[in-house]
Amino acid sequence: DTAVSQTPKYLVTQMGNDKSIKCEQNLGHDTMYWYKQDSKKFLKIMFSYNNKELIINETVPNRFSPKSPDKAHLNLHINSLELGDSAVYFCASSPHPGAGGHNEQFFGPGTRLTVL
Amino acid sequence: DQQVKQNSPSLSVQEGRISILNCDYTNSMFDYFLWYKKYPAEGPTFLISISSIKDKNEDGRFTVFLNKSAKHLSLHIVPSQPGDSAVYFCAASADDKIIFGKGTRLHILP
Repeated sequence: DTAVSQTPKYLVTQMGNDKSIKCEQNLGHDTMYWYKQDSKKFLKIMFSYNNKELIINETVPNRFSPKSPDKAHLNLHINSLELGDSAVYFCASSPHPGAGGHNEQFFGPGTRLTVL
Repeated sequence: DQQVKQNSPSLSVQEGRISILNCDYTNSMFDYFLWYKKYPAEGPTFLISISSIKDKNEDGRFTVFLNKSAKHLSLHIVPSQPGDSAVYFCAASADDKIIFGKGTRLHILP
């Protein structure tokens, strides 16, 4: 009964490859996020989707493309992987703040991406 | 340009004593502040939060204090327990966005 799940947990790949990370939440939340935690441990928001619509897109390279097939899923596709993409990527979800939530986010376990 | 700063990368506290984790922020538009706890190989989990209109919020052993004039908040854990050993992230919210600090690793010593 995992609330926010991500697959895979570990991903090791070569530079230049294209890869996807999947995220699913069963909390019925309206909003989903992708965060990147880099080697300096900063947890930075990349994207935010509300009801399948993009609402936050930080300065992330175009090689990163989120896809939300439905409210419960937000997948992250990365093209032409680079060494600097190596990081832990966290998916999160929250009820829409207007629905009474206060942006308390529920995080997935993370996907450790290593680009060789 | 860190809007949320946790200046202590680590903190060691004796079991049973009080743990105090500090956080500073720069953006006066933040209207909500949160603390998250993270164990290794897991995602952060929400711990406690406080609205900018309050100066204190308490939940069991955890209390968050907010000093808006100083743009400072702190998390107090008392008494500290071994299971509290984790990384604690301070976060601040404005609109739909949360900005996280770099985290402080708390070690509870036996």
